[in-house]
Amino acid sequence: GQNIDQPTEMTATEGAIVQINCTYQTSGFNGLFWYQQHAGEAPTFLSYNVLDGLEEKGRFSSFLSRSKGYSYLLLKELQMKDSASYLCAAMNQAGTALIFGKGTTLSVSS
Amino acid sequence: DGGITQSPKYLFRKEGQNVTLSCEQNLNHDAMYWYRQDPGQGLRLIYYSQIVNDFQKGDIAEGYSVSREKKESFPLTVTSAQKNPTAFYLCASSDYGRSYEQFFGPGTRLTVL
Repeated sequence: GQNIDQPTEMTATEGAIVQINCTYQTSGFNGLFWYQQHAGEAPTFLSYNVLDGLEEKGRFSSFLSRSKGYSYLLLKELQMKDSASYLCAAMNQAGTALIFGKGTTLSVSS
Repeated sequence: DGGITQSPKYLFRKEGQNVTLSCEQNLNHDAMYWYRQDPGQGLRLIYYSQIVNDFQKGDIAEGYSVSREKKESFPLTVTSAQKNPTAFYLCASSDYGRSYEQFFGPGTRLTVL
């Protein structure tokens, strides 16, 4: 079967660091995406990992371990505008479809 | 200014009526996708198309139909056979073969009364 698990909600304060975890089980795998989605808006691309390791992009970093079926998104120096839903998605082997988790709603308070 | 457009932003229909949601892209992408999002749920794939005049069912295709007559356009029809059509519908495209990244349109919120 195919399954993507991530926490439903997380809270943090401005300036802090937060790590959003994602575990996946898919029949075939071609990389792991993270998207950010503000309420009522389209998801926007944050990162793509296909090899093991950490990818850093400004305040956001993403990590992948293929052997463990595990990824995380790390957000540093949190800002109020980071309050959003963060979607973890695995690409299938053929590269034709993304399988999404239910998303993690992050609330950043001052 | 390239991108994906979906119209309208909000759509209301009576139960039993078919409704067609539009999706247009000028990114010259070969692949296009339709997703449905319900509150507290992730995106679920309805249909996708990798090339003109060809499309494939996703995980929840029942009650929906699509066409892909032009590269730029991938309309989705929500038929009366769809039991729970009220949802947020997102269209996406990708430059399949060069990148797996999918770009999303702004979405259409369909409410069936």
